[in-house]
Amino acid sequence: EPEVTQTPSHQVTQMGQEVILRCVPISNHLYFYWYRQILGQKVEFLVSFYNNEISEKSEIFDDQFSVERPDGSNFTLKIRSTKLEDSAMYFCASETEYSFAKAFFGQGTRLTVV
Amino acid sequence: SQQGEEDPQALSIQEGENATMNCSYKTSINNLQWYRQNSGRGLVHLILIRSNEREKHSGRLRVTLDTSKKSSSLLITASRAADTASYFCATRQTRGNQFYFGTGTSLTVIP
Repeated sequence: EPEVTQTPSHQVTQMGQEVILRCVPISNHLYFYWYRQILGQKVEFLVSFYNNEISEKSEIFDDQFSVERPDGSNFTLKIRSTKLEDSAMYFCASETEYSFAKAFFGQGTRLTVV
Repeated sequence: SQQGEEDPQALSIQEGENATMNCSYKTSINNLQWYRQNSGRGLVHLILIRSNEREKHSGRLRVTLDTSKKSSSLLITASRAADTASYFCATRQTRGNQFYFGTGTSLTVIP
C-alpha cells in the first residue's frame, strides 16, 4: 500500500529555534493535512492544504506556523520560533479527495523542544 | 466541542475474546474513520464508513454507524495480542475538510 513519509522521525530543538518538518504525501493525492498530538492527548487538527493554498486552519495554527509545498512533492510545516508547548508528535496526512476518501497518515515526527 | 468521544477509555481483554469500542459525535458527518495507533507510533487507517452506510466489515473488524444516535462502534473479533493499541474514531463533518478525532480507547489484549 502507498505510504506517507515523514522526516525526521524525531527532532530535538532549542526553544526559540525554527524547525521544518517534512512530509512526502502519496503522489496522486490532492489534499494535505498536518495534525499534532501532545503526549497523552487527542489528535488535533492544525491545517489543510489544497491547490497550493491553505484551505482551513485551526486556532493552534497561528503566525508561528506556516506550510509549503515547494516542489510539488514535499509538504512542509515550519514553526518559526518554537516554544516548549510545541513539543508533540506531528502527523502529516494526504488523501485523493475529501468527504469520501480515506486519509493516509505518516508515521509522525516527534518534536521535542528543550 | 465537535470532537468525538470514545468509550471505554481503556479496555483489557483476554486473547480470543471480542473487543467493542464506541464513538459518539455531535454534528452531521460525511464519513467516519477508525484508526489504530501503537504506542508512540503513527496512525494506521482501519476502516471508513460513509454516512449512508450502516455496517462495514474488514477481516476481523466490524464497524457500525447509527447517524440518528450519532454513534459508531468498532468490533474486533477473536482478538490477538498484536491488537494491543489505541483506537480512535475520526469524523469528517459535512462542512469543512478537516476531521475530528475522538479521545481514543486504549485496548490491551492479554495473551
